[in-house]
Amino acid sequence: QKEVEQNSGPLSVPEGAIASLNCTYSDRGSQSFFWYRQYSGKSPELIMFIYSNGDKEDGRFTAQLNKASQYVSLLIRDSQPSDSATYLCAVNINSGNQFYFGTGTSLTVIP
Amino acid sequence: DGGITQSPKYLFRKEGQNVTLSCEQNLNHDAMYWYRQDPGQGLRLIYYSQIVNDFQKGDIAEGYSVSREKKESFPLTVTSAQKNPTAFYLCASSIAGIGEKLFFGSGTQLSVL
Repeated sequence: QKEVEQNSGPLSVPEGAIASLNCTYSDRGSQSFFWYRQYSGKSPELIMFIYSNGDKEDGRFTAQLNKASQYVSLLIRDSQPSDSATYLCAVNINSGNQFYFGTGTSLTVIP
Repeated sequence: DGGITQSPKYLFRKEGQNVTLSCEQNLNHDAMYWYRQDPGQGLRLIYYSQIVNDFQKGDIAEGYSVSREKKESFPLTVTSAQKNPTAFYLCASSIAGIGEKLFFGSGTQLSVL
């Protein structure tokens, strides 16, 4: 069973719309959750992290965590063409301080 | 500037050859990691190290070896036993501890000649 699962997409939204990306995880002991943005041929860049249930907002980005349902999501408001990238969900597993990644969701923002 | 430096950016391996990918960080991070990324796939953990002179296998360690002689350095050797080495290799580091964030180097693209 995969530790972290994401819908691979592709997800297309028009410019200015809200993009919603979802991620589920299997280990109930997971405590830290991260969203990375990865442009083609580049390395992942950390854009959001969340540790507690609820919402966390940073600019146009909102991360949402629901530990009971074991999902974490990322909302991107006022989507811009520059947001077009692959978004990776990552979960920190307590034992051994390992990070597990989903396969990523490809987002395209259409001008 | 603080960061994680990977070299080379591109690397070509001949059949039967071992190659070494360099990873250096000046963030004073305790933990370092190596991930492999294949096209359209997520990151898979090869090896990780929490402290100097200690490292653990990840999910796909076969055909790879590492060393951690210095806190700043965590080189990865892709041995001839790794039959399908073509991939994008990412080195990362973090402060050891729950909740700490993972930061990445710029990556090395390894291809087979």
